[in-house]
Amino acid sequence: EDQVTQSPEALRLQEGESSSLNCSYTVSGLRGLFWYRQDPGKGPEFLFTLYSAGEEKEKERLKATLTKKESFLHITAPKPEDSATYLCAVQARGGRSASKIIFGSGTRLSIRP
Amino acid sequence: NAGVTQTPKFQVLKTGQSMTLQCAQDMNHEYMSWYRQDPGMGLRLIHYSVGAGITDQGEVPNGYNVSRSTTEDFPLRLLSAAPSQTSVYFCASSYWGLAGGGDREQYFGPGTRLTVT
Repeated sequence: EDQVTQSPEALRLQEGESSSLNCSYTVSGLRGLFWYRQDPGKGPEFLFTLYSAGEEKEKERLKATLTKKESFLHITAPKPEDSATYLCAVQARGGRSASKIIFGSGTRLSIRP
Repeated sequence: NAGVTQTPKFQVLKTGQSMTLQCAQDMNHEYMSWYRQDPGMGLRLIHYSVGAGITDQGEVPNGYNVSRSTTEDFPLRLLSAAPSQTSVYFCASSYWGLAGGGDREQYFGPGTRLTVT
């Protein structure tokens, strides 16, 4: 069964203190791994798609990386506006599972000024 | 483009009542899905559709029905509401492409907050 586990559940950082969020996945052949940002009271907003091990993508202070078993979302010199819940999701390759996109429970990130 | 719209924003139901959560998108996306979000449990897939006339069950389909008669609309029906269905419901859509090819980034609606008493 496809499974996504995110850690830590919550992370509090000082402004400028870099860190990483983890997403471990179990899937029968990965079609794609997705990162989303969710602000309180709103729907998730798409950040990145990663397709194969070794791939990296960057956007402002965020960089997502992918291995065969996990993905990391690195946050460099974060600012208070980066505070949000970050969600990871996976899509399997082939068969009926290819139509399902399964989410992890998210990491709640707080950046203190 | 309005993107993905959901109505209502808030709803309170009594146990046993039925209702339909509305979802519409104006991006001509083939793929649409419904998730529920509960504290500490992330987003759980209820039902999804890869095109008009095609629907399938997700992780937690019990107590919910869907249909997809047009590309734009994907309503979610609660047949007999239960307190366990108290949650925030999100609808999402994405491009699907021929034979499932293409990017899978999903666009989410603003959500419907449902309380069942």
